[in-house]
Amino acid sequence: DSGVTQTPKHLITATGQRVTLRCSPRSGDLSVYWYQQSLDQGLQFLIQYYNGEERAKGNILERFSAQQFPDLHSELNLSSLELGDSALYFCASSAFGRGDLYNEQFFGPGTRLTVL
Amino acid sequence: AQSVTQLGSHVSVSEGALVLLRCNYSSSVPPYLFWYVQYPNQGLQLLLKYTSAATLVKGINGFEAEFKKSETSFHLTKPSAHMSDAAEYFCAVSEGYGQNFVFGPGTRLSVLP
Repeated sequence: DSGVTQTPKHLITATGQRVTLRCSPRSGDLSVYWYQQSLDQGLQFLIQYYNGEERAKGNILERFSAQQFPDLHSELNLSSLELGDSALYFCASSAFGRGDLYNEQFFGPGTRLTVL
Repeated sequence: AQSVTQLGSHVSVSEGALVLLRCNYSSSVPPYLFWYVQYPNQGLQLLLKYTSAATLVKGINGFEAEFKKSETSFHLTKPSAHMSDAAEYFCAVSEGYGQNFVFGPGTRLSVLP
C-alpha cells in the first residue's frame, strides 16, 4: 500500500459527460501528480500541483482541469468526454519540498474510466 | 527533451532464468532514474532508484539495475526469475529534482514454468 488513495476505482459514463476523479496523497506529501495510462499513449504526465498551486503541466487537454485543496487532496475534472478519454488515471504524490533527495513518486491504485 | 526507450515490449523467460529488461534514456543533464513495476489491475510500485551513490542499485524483490552513463542505459536485472515477477515494468526518468517523470513504454515480463 503506497498510502495514496484514489476514488472511484471504476467509472463508466457516456460521451459528452463530465466526471471528477479524487486523490488523497500520502500523509504529509505536498506534491501531487496526475498521469493518464492508455494502450496507445502509454503513461503520460498530465499535471502537477504543489501545496495548492499548479507547478507543471504536461499533455493535458483543455477539457481537463485539476486543483489541489487546502487539505492537499486533489481532483481531476474531465469534461466533454470522448471515447478516446477511456484510460486508467493515476495520481501520485511525492515528498518534494520536504527534504527528500530524489523525488520518488508513490502511485495510487488508479481510476479506470470507461466512456461509452 | 528527455525520452525513454525500453527495448522489447514483451519479454518471456523461464522460471529460474536471468531477467534482463533494457532501458535507455536521453537527457541533457544527469538524470534521476527509476524502475517501477505494475501488477495486473494495480498501481505502480517503485522497484528501485538511481541515487548517484553507486552505479549498481539494488531494489526490492531481488532486482537490481546498473547505471551506465556512457551508454545512457539503466538496465534492470534479476538473477533468477520467479513466477510472481510476471508484471509490466516501466523505466522512468526525471531531469531534475521535483520535475515530472517521463516513462518508457513498458516491458511486459512473462515467466514460464
